[in-house]
Amino acid sequence: TQLLEQSPQFLSIQEGENLTVYCNSSSVFSSLQWYRQEPGEGPVLLVTVVTGGEVKKLKRLTFQFGDARKDSSLHITAAQPGDTGLYLCAGANTGNQFYFGTGTSLTVIP
Amino acid sequence: GAVVSQHPSRVICKSGTSVKIECRSLDFQATTMFWYRQFPKQSLMLMATSNEGSKATYEQGVEKDKFLINHASLTLSTLTVTSAHPEDSSFYICSARGVWGHGQYFGPGTRLTVT
Repeated sequence: TQLLEQSPQFLSIQEGENLTVYCNSSSVFSSLQWYRQEPGEGPVLLVTVVTGGEVKKLKRLTFQFGDARKDSSLHITAAQPGDTGLYLCAGANTGNQFYFGTGTSLTVIP
Repeated sequence: GAVVSQHPSRVICKSGTSVKIECRSLDFQATTMFWYRQFPKQSLMLMATSNEGSKATYEQGVEKDKFLINHASLTLSTLTVTSAHPEDSSFYICSARGVWGHGQYFGPGTRLTVT
């Protein structure tokens, strides 16, 4: 098992604020995904990053893959109540197995 | 596209019985399927990786004789929890990976309660 630590574990912010979630590991991953999960449902893929240093934007969400492909960050600008959920990073090893981060529970207060 | 279904969505069974959970890729062929379990307010824990037509690879600490996985076709994998106990109660989620690239697509999950 390859451990991915996410921080913070819990985050509660006001609507309109910005936030950053971090996903860190000592392992190198061939790719890294970010997911958002709502209670009682499966995770929904937000983005996949493959290249070290890669930055991808999805509307108000910006994802970055570390140069060494060991870490990643998710930045949300002007958070909305609809952004509330559990955010998970997942790293893929060379065997195409995915290991999930510890999760960040985000609550955006209207 | 890339829709994955699970059946049943919820199941309640008695201790000692076996439960089968199905995972289907509806609009693509999944060469690899993954099974996870998730406890409340926690992240997903990979249980096993299954490739079509071959034996599943189990993660350390997961009992292969208790959690039987069959990946009989490119669109179906099943997880059977044998001799279920209350501590097996959890949210079981499958995911499927196609041949076209990175990432995986998740099913909606199955809530198992063992009484």
